[in-house]
Amino acid sequence: DAGVIQSPRHEVTEMGQEVTLRCKPISGHNSLFWYRQTMMRGLELLIYFNNNVPIDDSGMPEDRFSAKMPNASFSTLKIQPSEPRDSAVYFCASSLSVSTDTQYFGPGTRLTVL
Amino acid sequence: SQQGEEDPQALSIQEGENATMNCSYKTSINNLQWYRQNSGRGLVHLILIRSNEREKHSGRLRVTLDTSKKSSSLLITASRAADTASYFCATAGSARQLTFGSGTQLTVLP
Repeated sequence: DAGVIQSPRHEVTEMGQEVTLRCKPISGHNSLFWYRQTMMRGLELLIYFNNNVPIDDSGMPEDRFSAKMPNASFSTLKIQPSEPRDSAVYFCASSLSVSTDTQYFGPGTRLTVL
Repeated sequence: SQQGEEDPQALSIQEGENATMNCSYKTSINNLQWYRQNSGRGLVHLILIRSNEREKHSGRLRVTLDTSKKSSSLLITASRAADTASYFCATAGSARQLTFGSGTQLTVLP
């Protein structure tokens, strides 16, 4: 079975550009999570969805970040405009449900903002 | 903010030795999980221990949980070079979302 799929795997962009990261969760999973990992701050939860509905976006750094989940098999994380401090690895994870607890991570998108 | 703090930050051992990593947390939890991350990869779930459990085993892994001390330990027995990775503890509270610690970088030397 395919795991969580993320694209692109690497993204290099210039400051001010819009960046869109994509995620396809494991089929049948009802919960989806977006994380950001940096050396300084470790792994941070940005937002999570349950049944395509955003439940908690308190981790989203600022209004430049937005996330959507239009259907059960697709989610996007958008940064507009991007800044150098957004450079990080962004992970998507999914789980059967929020209460199931075990999360399955995608391979991540390494974002570099110049 | 990070709930769990792993100790040590880095650990280097010889193949065949046991590796022990510790995790401390601050608030009450529903369960605690350990994940492994190989360089350049996503996190992989290893084991979950619930707040009413004290010890759990999975293959070469042994996890303990002491809720009175708000701490957990992960023991990897008979380590292999392939165990080289970062190990993270993650706590799930009543809201069930995970809060990850800062990780322990384990290096197993052949």
